[in-house]
Amino acid sequence: KAGVTQTPRYLIKTRGQQVTLSCSPISGHRSVSWYQQTPGQGLQFLFEYFSETQRNKGNFPGRFSGRQFSNSRSEMNVSTLELGDSALYLCASQTGGSTDTQYFGPGTRLTVL
Amino acid sequence: KQEVTQIPAALSVPEGENLVLNCSFTDSAIYNLQWFRQDPGKGLTSLLLIQSSQREQTSGRLNASLDKSSGRSTLYIAASQPGDSATYLCAVRIRPGANSKLTFGKGITLSVRP
Repeated sequence: KAGVTQTPRYLIKTRGQQVTLSCSPISGHRSVSWYQQTPGQGLQFLFEYFSETQRNKGNFPGRFSGRQFSNSRSEMNVSTLELGDSALYLCASQTGGSTDTQYFGPGTRLTVL
Repeated sequence: KQEVTQIPAALSVPEGENLVLNCSFTDSAIYNLQWFRQDPGKGLTSLLLIQSSQREQTSGRLNASLDKSSGRSTLYIAASQPGDSATYLCAVRIRPGANSKLTFGKGITLSVRP
């Protein structure tokens, strides 16, 4: 079974631009969660989608948004990029139950100049 | 608010040593706790998942224990090898109203010297 895939793997943007990151979960997994990882803050939860609906949300500004498609693939969008948005963005998928293991993708490294 | 702490932030040991990595959390009302490994610049690999009703889980040279009442978990690595060098993170799944959210510690960066 293929693992979680994320595209692109690396991105360089400038302040004020917007960016869209994509995540394809493991086949059969209906839940996709997004996390931001920085050296200072560690891993922080952004949001989770299940069956095309946002089921849970972390404490990030409205510039961070996401969506999920009917095939469970998910995208997250960051508008009006700031230098502090530079981070590794990880997505994780699971079947949907709250007791399930989460499987992580390799991440997208975003650099904002 | 659930907080997860991992101390120390970094650890260096000689090859062959048995070691214990610690994780503490402030709210004992958890669904489960998961240990992950992260290699530099890579995603996370799940190592062990312990449900709240369990006391420990084992996989190969790894053993994770959970003591909910004291808010602690340990990851025991037997006979460490240079290939074990990585960052180890623990994460708890919290409630109420948090279905799949994981709260992470900042990790322990382990270096195993040949």
